[in-house]
Amino acid sequence: NAGVTQTPKFQVLKTGQSMTLQCAQDMNHNSMYWYRQDPGMGLRLIYYSASEGTTDKGEVPNGYNVSRLNKREFSLRLESAAPSQTSVYFCASSEWKDSYNSPLHFGNGTRLTVT
Amino acid sequence: KQEVTQIPAALSVPEGENLVLNCSFTDSAIYNLQWFRQDPGKGLTSLLLIQSSQREQTSGRLNASLDKSSGRSTLYIAASQPGDSATYLCAVRQGGSEKLVFGKGTKLTVNP
Repeated sequence: NAGVTQTPKFQVLKTGQSMTLQCAQDMNHNSMYWYRQDPGMGLRLIYYSASEGTTDKGEVPNGYNVSRLNKREFSLRLESAAPSQTSVYFCASSEWKDSYNSPLHFGNGTRLTVT
Repeated sequence: KQEVTQIPAALSVPEGENLVLNCSFTDSAIYNLQWFRQDPGKGLTSLLLIQSSQREQTSGRLNASLDKSSGRSTLYIAASQPGDSATYLCAVRQGGSEKLVFGKGTKLTVNP
């Protein structure tokens, strides 16, 4: 059982380059999330998707776009990378149905450096 | 706006000690609270989830309590081991919201 899988694990970009971070989960969860983690700032929500076909902004969406390709996959795109986007990016998923809420399951992260 | 605070930021204890990690939140209208563990260079692993209607949850040597009215949760670790060394984060989910708000974590070091 793979859980949440993120690719790539590491990436170095030059300012202005674009890239897409991929995320897939095999737990049949409805909800998926993208977070960034920075020293001293903690985890901040970038975008989330409550179900297939829907996406919503989180706390820090500027400079990012997302696509919920299907129930399994949720990608994060940086159209024009900036040094301020140097961070560790985590994808997560959970089940949200009626009164039941499963724990959040995280991938191992993508370490992105923008020079 | 919900704010989650974890104090202390770092804690060092000798092996075998029982310890308590603290988490406080400013808005008591939460749906649930989760405790996570993060090892260096890794993602977060869910340890315990407490629904708003519950007072505590237990898993092995871990016990998490929730006092919604006072905006507090504690994570109790019994008989600590060097393998417990990690950063522990708490997060709250607001009622009716998909979003979790995270604390900045407590970095725990258990010395042999």
